[in-house]
Amino acid sequence: GAGVSQSPSNKVTEKGKDVELRCDPISGHTALYWYRQSLGQGLEFLIYFQGNSAPDKSGLPSDRFSAERTGGSVSTLTIQRTQQEDSAVYLCASSLGVPPLHFGNGTRLTVT
Amino acid sequence: DQQVKQNSPSLSVQEGRISILNCDYTNSMFDYFLWYKKYPAEGPTFLISISSIKDKNEDGRFTVFLNKSAKHLSLHIVPSQPGDSAVYFCAAKSRGGYNKLIFGAGTRLAVHP
Repeated sequence: GAGVSQSPSNKVTEKGKDVELRCDPISGHTALYWYRQSLGQGLEFLIYFQGNSAPDKSGLPSDRFSAERTGGSVSTLTIQRTQQEDSAVYLCASSLGVPPLHFGNGTRLTVT
Repeated sequence: DQQVKQNSPSLSVQEGRISILNCDYTNSMFDYFLWYKKYPAEGPTFLISISSIKDKNEDGRFTVFLNKSAKHLSLHIVPSQPGDSAVYFCAAKSRGGYNKLIFGAGTRLAVHP
Protein backbone atom coordinates (compact mmCIF):
# COMPACT_ATOMS: atom_id res chain seq x y z
CA GLY A 1 0.00 0.00 0.00
CA ALA A 2 1.19 3.52 -0.77
CA GLY A 3 2.38 5.71 2.04
CA VAL A 4 2.31 9.49 2.32
CA SER A 5 3.82 11.01 -0.79
CA GLN A 6 5.43 14.45 -0.88
CA SER A 7 6.70 16.45 -3.82
CA PRO A 8 9.14 17.78 -4.68
CA SER A 9 11.69 15.96 -2.54
CA ASN A 10 14.04 18.91 -2.84
CA LYS A 11 13.39 22.56 -3.68
CA VAL A 12 15.90 25.36 -4.02
CA THR A 13 14.45 28.83 -4.38
CA GLU A 14 15.60 32.41 -4.26
CA LYS A 15 14.69 34.65 -1.37
CA GLY A 16 11.44 36.46 -2.09
CA LYS A 17 9.96 33.80 -4.38
CA ASP A 18 6.81 31.81 -3.57
CA VAL A 19 6.90 28.01 -3.24
CA GLU A 20 4.25 25.30 -3.15
CA LEU A 21 4.79 21.96 -1.47
CA ARG A 22 2.45 19.06 -2.14
CA CYS A 23 1.28 16.19 0.02
CA ASP A 24 -0.72 13.10 -0.99
CA PRO A 25 -1.92 11.39 2.19
CA ILE A 26 -2.66 7.71 2.66
CA SER A 27 -5.98 6.88 1.06
CA GLY A 28 -8.82 6.97 3.58
CA HIS A 29 -6.94 8.99 6.17
CA THR A 30 -9.14 11.81 7.43
CA ALA A 31 -6.48 13.83 9.20
CA LEU A 32 -3.52 15.59 7.58
CA TYR A 33 -0.68 17.44 9.29
CA TRP A 34 2.22 19.64 8.27
CA TYR A 35 5.37 19.85 10.38
CA ARG A 36 8.80 21.25 9.69
CA GLN A 37 12.23 20.35 10.96
CA SER A 38 14.90 23.00 10.87
CA LEU A 39 18.56 21.98 11.02
CA GLY A 40 19.31 20.34 14.36
CA GLN A 41 15.82 20.97 15.69
CA GLY A 42 12.80 18.86 16.54
CA LEU A 43 9.56 18.68 14.62
CA GLU A 44 7.59 21.92 14.73
CA PHE A 45 3.81 21.69 14.23
CA LEU A 46 2.46 23.95 11.50
CA ILE A 47 -1.16 23.06 10.63
CA TYR A 48 -3.69 20.23 11.05
CA PHE A 49 -6.73 19.32 8.94
CA GLN A 50 -9.40 16.95 10.28
CA GLY A 51 -12.25 16.03 7.95
CA ASN A 52 -14.47 19.01 7.18
CA SER A 53 -13.61 20.87 10.37
CA ALA A 54 -11.83 24.20 10.32
CA PRO A 55 -8.07 23.59 10.27
CA ASP A 56 -5.90 24.20 13.32
CA LYS A 57 -3.51 26.86 12.02
CA SER A 58 -1.98 27.66 15.38
CA GLY A 59 1.53 26.60 14.35
CA LEU A 60 1.92 28.68 11.20
CA PRO A 61 4.87 31.02 11.91
CA SER A 62 3.65 33.99 9.85
CA ASP A 63 0.97 35.07 7.42
CA ARG A 64 3.34 34.18 4.59
CA PHE A 65 2.43 30.55 5.27
CA SER A 66 -0.87 29.03 4.19
CA ALA A 67 -2.21 25.58 3.44
CA GLU A 68 -5.26 24.07 1.87
CA ARG A 69 -6.63 20.60 1.53
CA THR A 70 -8.78 19.98 -1.52
CA GLY A 71 -11.48 17.34 -1.55
CA GLY A 72 -10.39 15.99 1.77
CA SER A 73 -7.28 14.51 0.20
CA VAL A 74 -4.31 16.30 -1.36
CA SER A 75 -2.82 19.25 0.51
CA THR A 76 -0.64 22.13 -0.62
CA LEU A 77 1.51 24.21 1.72
CA THR A 78 2.34 27.61 0.23
CA ILE A 79 5.09 29.91 1.46
CA GLN A 80 5.02 33.40 -0.01
CA ARG A 81 8.02 35.69 -0.26
CA THR A 82 10.38 33.04 1.11
CA GLN A 83 13.07 34.01 3.61
CA GLN A 84 16.29 32.21 4.47
CA GLU A 85 14.88 31.20 7.86
CA ASP A 86 12.21 29.20 6.00
CA SER A 87 14.90 26.70 4.97
CA ALA A 88 13.94 23.38 6.56
CA VAL A 89 12.53 19.95 5.83
CA TYR A 90 8.76 20.18 5.54
CA LEU A 91 7.04 16.96 6.60
CA CYS A 92 3.49 15.93 5.89
CA ALA A 93 1.68 13.23 7.86
CA SER A 94 -1.75 11.65 7.79
CA SER A 95 -3.79 9.52 10.16
CA LEU A 96 -7.20 7.95 10.66
CA GLY A 97 -8.08 10.84 12.93
CA VAL A 98 -6.11 9.65 15.93
CA PRO A 99 -2.41 8.92 16.36
CA PRO A 100 -0.17 7.40 15.21
CA LEU A 101 0.68 9.78 12.40
CA HIS A 102 2.26 8.35 9.27
CA PHE A 103 4.87 10.64 7.76
CA GLY A 104 6.13 11.19 4.24
CA ASN A 105 9.82 11.60 3.49
CA GLY A 106 9.54 15.37 3.42
CA THR A 107 10.50 18.22 1.12
CA ARG A 108 13.88 19.79 1.79
CA LEU A 109 13.50 23.51 1.10
CA THR A 110 16.58 25.66 0.65
CA VAL A 111 16.16 29.41 0.31
CA THR A 112 19.24 31.12 -1.15
CA ASP B 1 8.15 26.90 26.08
CA GLN B 2 9.10 23.33 25.35
CA GLN B 3 6.31 21.05 26.50
CA VAL B 4 8.21 17.90 25.52
CA LYS B 5 11.91 17.76 26.31
CA GLN B 6 14.57 15.29 25.34
CA ASN B 7 17.57 16.52 27.26
CA SER B 8 20.14 14.15 25.78
CA PRO B 9 20.98 15.09 22.20
CA SER B 10 22.96 11.90 21.69
CA LEU B 11 23.57 8.46 23.13
CA SER B 12 26.16 5.82 22.26
CA VAL B 13 25.59 2.17 23.16
CA GLN B 14 27.39 -1.07 22.44
CA GLU B 15 25.60 -3.67 20.35
CA GLY B 16 23.71 -6.14 22.53
CA ARG B 17 23.40 -3.77 25.49
CA ILE B 18 20.33 -1.81 26.57
CA SER B 19 19.57 1.65 25.16
CA ILE B 20 17.52 3.96 27.36
CA LEU B 21 16.12 7.12 25.85
CA ASN B 22 14.43 9.65 28.11
CA CYS B 23 11.71 12.22 27.67
CA ASP B 24 10.16 14.74 30.09
CA TYR B 25 6.96 16.71 29.65
CA THR B 26 5.35 19.63 31.38
CA ASN B 27 1.71 19.56 30.26
CA SER B 28 -0.52 17.53 32.59
CA MET B 29 -3.18 17.43 29.86
CA PHE B 30 -1.12 15.02 27.76
CA ASP B 31 -2.88 11.65 27.66
CA TYR B 32 -1.05 9.72 24.94
CA PHE B 33 2.64 9.38 24.18
CA LEU B 34 4.52 8.00 21.20
CA TRP B 35 8.07 7.25 20.13
CA TYR B 36 9.19 7.73 16.54
CA LYS B 37 12.42 6.71 14.85
CA LYS B 38 13.97 8.69 12.02
CA TYR B 39 16.69 7.74 9.56
CA PRO B 40 18.42 10.44 7.46
CA ALA B 41 16.43 11.62 4.44
CA GLU B 42 13.36 9.68 5.57
CA GLY B 43 10.26 10.66 7.47
CA PRO B 44 9.79 9.60 11.09
CA THR B 45 8.30 6.13 11.54
CA PHE B 46 6.09 5.15 14.45
CA LEU B 47 7.65 2.75 16.96
CA ILE B 48 5.52 2.37 20.05
CA SER B 49 2.96 4.28 22.10
CA ILE B 50 1.46 4.36 25.57
CA SER B 51 -1.76 5.73 27.01
CA SER B 52 -1.67 7.70 30.24
CA ILE B 53 -3.78 5.01 31.91
CA LYS B 54 -0.86 2.59 31.63
CA ASP B 55 2.66 2.64 32.98
CA LYS B 56 4.29 0.18 30.59
CA ASN B 57 3.89 -1.04 27.04
CA GLU B 58 6.09 -3.62 25.38
CA ASP B 59 6.56 -4.58 21.74
CA GLY B 60 9.37 -6.99 21.02
CA ARG B 61 12.71 -5.35 21.84
CA PHE B 62 11.02 -2.03 22.61
CA THR B 63 9.42 -1.08 25.93
CA VAL B 64 8.04 2.30 26.90
CA PHE B 65 7.65 3.26 30.56
CA LEU B 66 5.50 6.13 31.78
CA ASN B 67 5.86 7.79 35.19
CA LYS B 68 2.98 10.26 35.40
CA SER B 69 3.91 11.68 38.79
CA ALA B 70 7.36 12.59 37.47
CA LYS B 71 6.02 13.54 34.01
CA HIS B 72 8.67 11.29 32.53
CA LEU B 73 8.75 8.54 29.97
CA SER B 74 11.51 6.37 28.66
CA LEU B 75 12.11 4.01 25.77
CA HIS B 76 14.15 0.88 26.40
CA ILE B 77 15.66 -1.05 23.51
CA VAL B 78 17.13 -4.40 24.38
CA PRO B 79 19.22 -5.85 22.92
CA SER B 80 20.40 -2.88 20.88
CA GLN B 81 21.37 -3.53 17.26
CA PRO B 82 23.38 -1.42 14.78
CA GLY B 83 20.20 -0.94 12.71
CA ASP B 84 18.69 0.89 15.67
CA SER B 85 21.09 3.77 15.04
CA ALA B 86 18.79 6.69 14.25
CA VAL B 87 17.23 9.79 15.79
CA TYR B 88 14.44 9.01 18.25
CA PHE B 89 11.64 11.49 18.89
CA CYS B 90 9.26 11.50 21.80
CA ALA B 91 5.79 12.93 21.09
CA ALA B 92 2.70 13.67 23.12
CA LYS B 93 -0.98 14.34 22.48
CA SER B 94 -3.21 16.47 24.66
CA ARG B 95 -6.68 15.32 25.72
CA GLY B 96 -9.50 17.52 24.59
CA GLY B 97 -10.18 16.51 21.02
CA TYR B 98 -7.13 17.74 19.17
CA ASN B 99 -4.96 14.97 17.77
CA LYS B 100 -1.87 16.96 16.84
CA LEU B 101 1.37 15.74 18.35
CA ILE B 102 3.96 17.84 20.15
CA PHE B 103 7.47 16.53 19.53
CA GLY B 104 10.70 16.70 21.47
CA ALA B 105 13.97 17.73 19.86
CA GLY B 106 15.15 14.16 19.41
CA THR B 107 18.01 11.97 20.64
CA ARG B 108 20.54 10.56 18.22
CA LEU B 109 21.31 6.93 19.11
CA ALA B 110 24.47 5.29 17.84
CA VAL B 111 24.80 1.53 18.36
CA HIS B 112 28.34 0.38 17.72
CA PRO B 113 29.65 -3.18 17.36
